[in-house]
Amino acid sequence: LAKTTQPISMDSYEGQEVNITCSHNNIATNDYITWYQQFPSQGPRFIIQGYKTKVTNEVASLFIPADRKSSTLSLPRVSLSDTAVYYCLVGDWEGARDDKIIFGKGTRLHILP
Amino acid sequence: EPEVTQTPSHQVTQMGQEVILRCVPISNHLYFYWYRQILGQKVEFLVSFYNNEISEKSEIFDDQFSVERPDGSNFTLKIRSTKLEDSAMYFCAMRPDRGATGELFFGEGSRLTVL
Repeated sequence: LAKTTQPISMDSYEGQEVNITCSHNNIATNDYITWYQQFPSQGPRFIIQGYKTKVTNEVASLFIPADRKSSTLSLPRVSLSDTAVYYCLVGDWEGARDDKIIFGKGTRLHILP
Repeated sequence: EPEVTQTPSHQVTQMGQEVILRCVPISNHLYFYWYRQILGQKVEFLVSFYNNEISEKSEIFDDQFSVERPDGSNFTLKIRSTKLEDSAMYFCAMRPDRGATGELFFGEGSRLTVL
């Protein structure tokens, strides 16, 4: 499993764009990059997944450079309700290598009014 | 979005007692997981389960823990003799297949308090 490194915490203000970067230097060829969001006392919730370049959905964008050794989750125009912990996960979800989906420590995002 | 239902939402038990946490599967979801989260800490993988067998388990998942899905019904986590350090939120998660998506569907959790 590729190890991931994210900032422990970040603060931002309502209406700003927030970018959270995750490092995964030993990502393998078949690995995908997946991001989850977790609110207090709730289970994590899938946000977005990508393999390379850019992926966008109604919630966020995910930017992945050509070497895939990092990725950036971009949240446009955040609101107070985006205050949560964001987890970056890297793994071969489709392959038969293993079936452990491991969460790291995540980034605690705090949105200020 | 499919919903994963967990029961009980909160259980208080005495140390040494057995606890069973339950999870109602989403239709057509085949891969099941249990995670736990001690207050203020990260989400920890416990076990994955497919085709009535454990696929992977962590070092946390010792002999005190067991999982089963009898007759394709609820997916359960049993803790045989609870310890104080078992106090945590326990999350059930699942996904339909081993496709490329790493999307797990999580339940709202069962809060276990061991006194």
